[in-house]
Amino acid sequence: DGGITQSPKYLFRKEGQNVTLSCEQNLNHDAMYWYRQDPGQGLRLIYYSQIVNDFQKGDIAEGYSVSREKKESFPLTVTSAQKNPTAFYLCASNTGARDGYTFGSGTRLTVV
Amino acid sequence: QKEVEQDPGPLSVPEGAIVSLNCTYSNSAFQYFMWYRQYSRKGPELLMYTYSSGNKEDGRFTAQVDKSSKYISLFIRDSQPSDSATYLCAMIGSGGSNYKLTFGKGTLLTVNP
Repeated sequence: DGGITQSPKYLFRKEGQNVTLSCEQNLNHDAMYWYRQDPGQGLRLIYYSQIVNDFQKGDIAEGYSVSREKKESFPLTVTSAQKNPTAFYLCASNTGARDGYTFGSGTRLTVV
Repeated sequence: QKEVEQDPGPLSVPEGAIVSLNCTYSNSAFQYFMWYRQYSRKGPELLMYTYSSGNKEDGRFTAQVDKSSKYISLFIRDSQPSDSATYLCAMIGSGGSNYKLTFGKGTLLTVNP
């Protein structure tokens, strides 16, 4: 079955540590997106990529980095510069046209 | 003014009730409208997709778009406890090469048995 796989499902980060969240899709979608979801805040766009080797900052990119070396993969690194990283992170993809997104099941990141 | 406004609720209804969820928007360029359902601790899933004004029905769900009022609605008939979730509206314009969706903040719905 085609879909988006996010891993891990739960992730714990120590203060000052960088962590990488994985997002892989087998839908042959060109565009991929990373969102952060906090209670009462809705979905906030972190980064997005419309083609391989190109990506753009979203609304809250500070403290995050991404890469898009393969069409199928769009990993997100939460760096130590992100002061409040505890949140639910969602990866999504679409064809790059005006269709809906397919979302992954999310990664819950907690700072310990 | 935010581009998309959605009442966060929470909304609590008895089983079998008709549920009405709504969003308003300010950007007249929006042409494509979607509703997503998100269960707790899961990713959102696309429920309804409509283009421009009008109604679209799929089983117990009906999506309505009124572009003149910049208002979209999702109706759920004969609501079930399994409909308990957060419902997010989303929309996108028709011009340019920007394909990013603009989301509402979501409405939390509980259907009580």
